[in-house]
Amino acid sequence: AQRVTQPEKLLSVFKGAPVELKCNYSYSGSPELFWYVQYSRQRLQLLLRHISRESIKGFTADLNKGETSFHLKKPFAQEEDSAMYYCALNGRQGGSEKLVFGKGTKLTVNP
Amino acid sequence: DTGVSQNPRHKITKRGQNVTFRCDPISEHNRLYWYRQTLGQGPEFLTYFQNEAQLEKSRLLSDRFSAERPKGSFSTLEIQRTEQGDSAMYLCASSLFGTSLYNEQFFGPGTRLTVL
Repeated sequence: AQRVTQPEKLLSVFKGAPVELKCNYSYSGSPELFWYVQYSRQRLQLLLRHISRESIKGFTADLNKGETSFHLKKPFAQEEDSAMYYCALNGRQGGSEKLVFGKGTKLTVNP
Repeated sequence: DTGVSQNPRHKITKRGQNVTFRCDPISEHNRLYWYRQTLGQGPEFLTYFQNEAQLEKSRLLSDRFSAERPKGSFSTLEIQRTEQGDSAMYLCASSLFGTSLYNEQFFGPGTRLTVL
């Protein structure tokens, strides 16, 4: 079964502090992992994906197959990073590319 | 093209009524997905289309739910005999499948359904 777990429902940090949003997944094959973000009153949008190994808005995420994790990190949080963050998995079963989402973590960056 | 659009944005209905939502994907996107999101949960996959063909349906999609994409462009999601448990945000996403290794799904703003 495909499953994504985000253990923290809420995460609060101060501006300039490092932040790490945890994501663990369950999948028997080689999944594609993503982080989606939803800012207040905006639609869900892709933040980054493990395949591209890029840094977006200072965020990075490394796929650790041994620990089945894909944690999202940023060394210095900014107030504009406050948002809802969802980790998602694309199992590519049957070619559908449907996404399996975690329950999300609400990040609040305090001034 | 300003992205995926969904109508209506909000719908309040009484239990037992039928409702229909519409999704207009990004032009030229051949795949269209429907997801449902309830409070405190991430989006859950319901169904998807490639062009006009509905290729997969989740077990979440009971017989009261039906989706169409008649000409491979916009899609409708109908819920018959609504129940209070149908109250949720219904999200639509589209992607252009087949042109790259990964085809990003672009999400619409969602339709929030409240069943009284």
